[in-house]
Amino acid sequence: AQSVTQLDSQVPVFEEAPVELRCNYSSSVSVYLFWYVQYPNQGLQLLLKYLSGSTLVKGINGFEAEFNKSQTSFHLRKPSVHISDTAEYFCAVTYTGGYQKVTFGTGTKLQVIP
Amino acid sequence: DGGITQSPKYLFRKEGQNVTLSCEQNLNHDAMYWYRQDPGQGLRLIYYSQIVNDFQKGDIAEGYSVSREKKESFPLTVTSAQKNPTAFYLCASSILDRGTNTGELFFGEGSRLTVL
Repeated sequence: AQSVTQLDSQVPVFEEAPVELRCNYSSSVSVYLFWYVQYPNQGLQLLLKYLSGSTLVKGINGFEAEFNKSQTSFHLRKPSVHISDTAEYFCAVTYTGGYQKVTFGTGTKLQVIP
Repeated sequence: DGGITQSPKYLFRKEGQNVTLSCEQNLNHDAMYWYRQDPGQGLRLIYYSQIVNDFQKGDIAEGYSVSREKKESFPLTVTSAQKNPTAFYLCASSILDRGTNTGELFFGEGSRLTVL
């Protein structure tokens, strides 16, 4: 079975500072990896995804993530955060074959401090 | 614009009452899903459907029911059998074609149910 671990439930960071949100997954087969963002009382929207190819993936709002197969990680980074980045971020994984059941992490709340 | 519409946005219910949450999509996606979100627990799958008139239980289906009479619609009923129904409910859809299916989900804005 696949699983996703987001070790940090909350990450406070000052505005314009860099941030890294950690995501580790476990799976015995090839996977697709996703980061979603959720603003308060809203649904989730896709931030970026890794399907294949380059391990460095760029997404919306200046975020990027790097797929590391040997460490089974997909950490999300932004070099300089803004107040508007305050939200909850979810890492998710699916298998690359058959019906894709999506497994989500428990989420990381990013709080940007002015 | 294509998307997923959930209604109502906020709903209050008395204990013992059934309530139905609406989910409509105009993305022409085959698959639709219902998730429950509680603080600190991420998203948990309640039910999913890959085709009209067929659906499968997810990880926490007890106390919930669904129907899929049309491709565009996937309503969720929270029954009185659900022990702790207060939560944020999210509907999602995805492409199911084997050539393009990656598991990427498209979400609605959510419905917050509070049981009084």
